[in-house]
Amino acid sequence: DGGITQSPKYLFRKEGQNVTLSCEQNLNHDAMYWYRQDPGQGLRLIYYSQIVNDFQKGDIAEGYSVSREKKESFPLTVTSAQKNPTAFYLCASSMGLAGIQETQYFGPGTRLLVL
Amino acid sequence: AQKITQTQPGMFVQEKEAVTLDCTYDTSDQSYGLFWYKQPSSGEMIFLIYQGSYDEQNATEGRYSLNFQKARKSANLVISASQLGDSAMYFCAMRFPTFYGGSQGNLIFGKGTKLSVKP
Repeated sequence: DGGITQSPKYLFRKEGQNVTLSCEQNLNHDAMYWYRQDPGQGLRLIYYSQIVNDFQKGDIAEGYSVSREKKESFPLTVTSAQKNPTAFYLCASSMGLAGIQETQYFGPGTRLLVL
Repeated sequence: AQKITQTQPGMFVQEKEAVTLDCTYDTSDQSYGLFWYKQPSSGEMIFLIYQGSYDEQNATEGRYSLNFQKARKSANLVISASQLGDSAMYFCAMRFPTFYGGSQGNLIFGKGTKLSVKP
């Protein structure tokens, strides 16, 4: 079955620690995205990538980093510079980036908690 | 600036009845796409329905339909024959073509409406 997987489901971070959230898709989609969701809020874009080895900052990129070495994978690192990382993180993908009709499909999410 | 507003933080509906979830948006652009997503308690965002700004007919997908009123800048989701499994958060989102500056290609989300279906 085609889809998007995210791991781990829950992640605990200690102060000053960098942690990496995994996102893998087998939909053969070119574009991938990372969103952050806080309680009672909609999603906000962290980073997005249209093609391999290229990515762009979204609205709230500070304290985060990404890589796109393979089409299928788009890991997100939450660095120690992110002072309020507790949130629900959702990865998404779409066939392309252009066009208003491009539907984004989401993974099951990772919940990050700070110890 | 582009913005999505969902004015109903929570809604209740009786099982088997229809319910309308409101969504208004603010943009001066002519070309945009409107999406509705469902988020159950498990957290995954499930795509429900899409409406393009140039589409003349309202979109429908099974029990979901979109009441699109472009002049009023509203894109309300109608769920017919509600089921217990429809209990979830529902998000309205908007997308612009990538040649627009700023949030190129990403989705702008409202804050959501929590729907509870009563048996």
